[in-house]
Amino acid sequence: KNQVEQSPQSLIILEGKNCTLQCNYTVSPFSNLRWYKQDTGRGPVSLTIMTFSENTKSNRRYTATLDADTKQSSLHITASQLSDSASYICVVSDTGRRALTFGSGTRLQVQP
Amino acid sequence: EAQVTQNPRYLITVTGKKLTVTCSQNMNHEYMSWYRQDPGLGLRQIYYSMNVEVTDKGDVPEGYKVSRKEKRNFPLILESPSPNQTSLYFCASSSDRPRGNEQFFGPGTRLTVL
Repeated sequence: KNQVEQSPQSLIILEGKNCTLQCNYTVSPFSNLRWYKQDTGRGPVSLTIMTFSENTKSNRRYTATLDADTKQSSLHITASQLSDSASYICVVSDTGRRALTFGSGTRLQVQP
Repeated sequence: EAQVTQNPRYLITVTGKKLTVTCSQNMNHEYMSWYRQDPGLGLRQIYYSMNVEVTDKGDVPEGYKVSRKEKRNFPLILESPSPNQTSLYFCASSSDRPRGNEQFFGPGTRLTVL
């Protein structure tokens, strides 16, 4: 069964600090992996998408990495801001099934 | 502005009273989907539609119905809601299968069934 596990479940950091969120998956055969940001009470918004051949991709202060061999991805947030407080969801798709496999998310809280 | 809209945003109802949650997108997307989000479980797909008059079950379709009579609209119907359908619901759309295309999500509908 395809699964996506995210850690930690929740994280509190001080404004200006960096943090790294983890995503491990067992989806096979792998197609791509997305990171979404979900603000409280809003729908998820895509941050980045990574395919099998990509190791690193950046979007402003967000940098995603992918290790297809170990089936792990990380999302690194640099110089955190209060507006980064949200849930971050890892979503993996395979080449066969129609649906996506969603992680349960990491809830990040950035404090002043 | 390109967007996915859902209505209502909040709904409290009672067991057995039929309800419909509407979803509309203005991006001419072929693919539309409904998800429910519950604490600790992540988003789970209820139904999806590849195009007009083409719908299929997702991972948790029991107790739900959908229709796709027009490209822009994809309503979710609960014929006889039960308390276990209390959840946060999201509609999403993309230009093609979401495997390689970004899905755009609506703002969500928080449903409480008493």
